[in-house]
Amino acid sequence: DAGITQSPRYKITETGRQVTLMCHQTWSHSYMFWYRQDLGHGLRLIYYSAAADITDKGEVPDGYVVSRSKTENFPLTLESATRSQTSVYFCASSVRDRGDTEAFFGQGTRLTVV
Amino acid sequence: GDSVTQMEGPVTLSEEACLTINCTYTATGYPSLFWYVQYPGEGLQLLLKATKADDKGSNKGFEATYRKETTSFHLEKGSVQVSDSAVYFCALNLTPFSGGYNKLIFGAGTRLAVHP
Repeated sequence: DAGITQSPRYKITETGRQVTLMCHQTWSHSYMFWYRQDLGHGLRLIYYSAAADITDKGEVPDGYVVSRSKTENFPLTLESATRSQTSVYFCASSVRDRGDTEAFFGQGTRLTVV
Repeated sequence: GDSVTQMEGPVTLSEEACLTINCTYTATGYPSLFWYVQYPGEGLQLLLKATKADDKGSNKGFEATYRKETTSFHLEKGSVQVSDSAVYFCALNLTPFSGGYNKLIFGAGTRLAVHP
């Protein structure tokens, strides 16, 4: 299917475990992003990537790792999950580096750390 | 730093009522401004945008005008429907040419509930 897909949609994990959230887009968009959504905070940028093998930190990167070996994939790894990382995570992509272009969002992954 | 401030919700309206959701921004450069909407259980999708001062974005009966003098981008609709119930996010994006980065900065979101 064309578009941007995230997996899993729901995940429950234990404190201290490593967990990876997957994001795949079929448009070959150069930019990809990871956001977390928390009540009262809106969406906060975790990491972004301008192209394959180019990543940079956003507003709240601590405790997260990203990689981008292929243009279409942008996985987000929580190295040692903490309860404060319980959130809804959204992946997004946009076609180029102009600030007026639309970002396309996945449906989100609801992560619960117990 | 660059930021977006939205009015707190929830906003509860009856069908056919008028809607205004306030949004103001702080930015060092010349941002593009956006409204995204999130329906229950879904990701965000673009509702409308404006890329320069005095531009008006519009879509699905919603409108917002880029006001540089008041650094605002308020969302308006003259007659809301039950199907408009969602969370609305104001956002800005700085262009690389104005010293910014291609990444959206969001407000906290405003939940709208429309009742029949």
